[in-house]
Amino acid sequence: GENVEQHPSTLSVQEGDSAVIKCTYSDSASNYFPWYKQELGKGPQLIIDIRSNVGEKKDQRIAVTLNKTAKHFSLHITETQPEDSAVYFCAASIDYGQNFVFGPGTRLSVLP
Amino acid sequence: DAGITQSPRHKVTETGTPVTLRCHQTENHRYMYWYRQDPGHGLRLIHYSYGVKDTDKGEVSDGYSVSRSKTEDFLLTLESATSSQTSVYFCAIVNDLAADTQYFGPGTRLTVL
Repeated sequence: GENVEQHPSTLSVQEGDSAVIKCTYSDSASNYFPWYKQELGKGPQLIIDIRSNVGEKKDQRIAVTLNKTAKHFSLHITETQPEDSAVYFCAASIDYGQNFVFGPGTRLSVLP
Repeated sequence: DAGITQSPRHKVTETGTPVTLRCHQTENHRYMYWYRQDPGHGLRLIHYSYGVKDTDKGEVSDGYSVSRSKTEDFLLTLESATSSQTSVYFCAIVNDLAADTQYFGPGTRLTVL
């Protein structure tokens, strides 16, 4: 079955710097890749997603890139702010919303 | 939070007791999911449902059962709770219209002593 790895497990950046989190997946049939942000005591919230027919997607300070050949996708956050501090999860699915496999998470700390 | 509520939000129980967690949604979506979240493991699927009385097992279903007698409610039952089931449990739904991503509830923190 699908396996999703995520790196790094923790990441500290200075406010205003960029942050990059990378995920790799094993099943070449995966076609949908969401990213979730989880704040302390809350459920994960979708921040951006990408489908396999697209190589890059941007939403203001957040972007996701997908390399299907290498089977990896990355989350890029520019101009980081303290409120970006949270745990970020990537996921992969072979049937869009139906069956997700999640990465173990990355704890991002943005230092003022 | 896509109209998803979970109850209780916190529960402490003892080993061997039965526990039922409830997930309620207000938008009548077909697909509902139960996950557990543990440090270093991310979110792991326990069971899911694709309609009333239609359920299936996920990656970590041992020791858990589910029921869905109404579209809006998805119940997760620990028949005889064990300390290894101490975790944070999240319910999720798929928006039938968008048919792509999952939206999560606020979670239930369960401690089994």
